[in-house]
Amino acid sequence: DGGITQSPKYLFRKEGQNVTLSCEQNLNHDAMYWYRQDPGQGLRLIYYSQIVNDFQKGDIAEGYSVSREKKESFPLTVTSAQKNPTAFYLCASIVGTSKGNTEAFFGQGTRLTVV
Amino acid sequence: RKEVEQDPGPFNVPEGATVAFNCTYSNSASQSFFWYRQDCRKEPKLLMSVYSSGNEDGRFTAQLNRASQYISLLIRDSKLSDSATYLCVVNDYKLSFGAGTTVTVRA
Repeated sequence: DGGITQSPKYLFRKEGQNVTLSCEQNLNHDAMYWYRQDPGQGLRLIYYSQIVNDFQKGDIAEGYSVSREKKESFPLTVTSAQKNPTAFYLCASIVGTSKGNTEAFFGQGTRLTVV
Repeated sequence: RKEVEQDPGPFNVPEGATVAFNCTYSNSASQSFFWYRQDCRKEPKLLMSVYSSGNEDGRFTAQLNRASQYISLLIRDSKLSDSATYLCVVNDYKLSFGAGTTVTVRA
């Protein structure tokens, strides 16, 4: 089945440590996005990539980094510079539909906790 | 002003009731609109797109009011399984998400 796979599902990070969240898709979508979700808030855009080897900062990129070396993969690194990284992270691929709309497909998310 | 704003609820309704809620957006140039459903600790899933003429999918009806810049979702004959958070999503050059409206349907 086509879809987006995020791993791990749960991740614990120590203070000052960098961690990388994996996102893989086999939908052949060009555009991939990383969102962060905190309780009581909407999804906030961290980074996005419209095409391989290119990516753009979203609204809250500070303390994060990404790469897009392959179409299928868009890993997110949460660096030690991110002061409040505990959150639910969602990876999505976004594609235009035949009706001219846009639809987002999400991975199952990674719940990151700082210990 | 936030790009997308929703009444957080919660809306607590009995089975069989009708529940409706709105979402306002700030960018008048926004082109497309969606409702996503998110269950607790899960990823959002597309419920329905919202078209200018309004659209209906079973018990769910979505409306778009461009003049007042809001979209609405109405759920008829509520089921226990409708309990979830409903996210309003607006597409300008990127997808902008509201914080969600929580609906709880009780037996």
